[in-house]
Amino acid sequence: SYVLTQPPSVSVAPGQTARITCGGNNIGSKSVHWYQQKPGQAPVLVVYDDSDRPSGIPERFSGSNSGNTATLTISRVEAGDEADYYCQVWDSSSDPGVFGGGTKLTVL
Amino acid sequence: QVQLVESGGGVVQPGGSLRLSCAASGFTFSSYGMHWVRQAPGKGLEWVAFIRYDGSNKYYADSVKGRFTISRDNSKNTLYLQMNSLRAEDTAVYYCAKDGSGYVPLYYMDVWGKGTTVTVSS
Repeated sequence: SYVLTQPPSVSVAPGQTARITCGGNNIGSKSVHWYQQKPGQAPVLVVYDDSDRPSGIPERFSGSNSGNTATLTISRVEAGDEADYYCQVWDSSSDPGVFGGGTKLTVL
Repeated sequence: QVQLVESGGGVVQPGGSLRLSCAASGFTFSSYGMHWVRQAPGKGLEWVAFIRYDGSNKYYADSVKGRFTISRDNSKNTLYLQMNSLRAEDTAVYYCAKDGSGYVPLYYMDVWGKGTTVTVSS
């Protein structure tokens, strides 16, 4: 089955830019989606189809995808962005719905 | 507003069964595919199952294939997950989620419920 690899943690100071990566074999050929999950809450979609934002998601959240790496970029990081972030793809295999292991974003 | 409310969680013994429900409102339920996603305590998200808007196609994670069945009743705006032969490793919060696109699924989840907790323990 397809595997997505995320760094366990990323730390950034307020106002700086956070970049969270999601690695997978030729992931650039797939659509990548990103979710934010705060403690005790359900996940929230923040980026879909590599780089589109749902309504209500700040422009500070952006995404890119090429080659073997997709990236979620959060500009001008705020304390409220501290959360776990998950990437997700759909793979045409026997185990199609795939999430990355998640990245804990810490705002210093 | 779009809302998903899960129910049916609880404590069950290994080998037992449980049926989860997800009541949908605020959108045309019969036009959208639906997902179940779970999260074990302290762990990441795990996709469980998907059903097309009309129930014509269903997909499952290998970890639940043959034990879990996803279904829907469009007349009741309700999604189900029948879970049989439950194991300790099925212990998790189970979320239902709406697919981001109607009729032709895009296989991402744009609306999530708050989840229901399933504990498998003797």
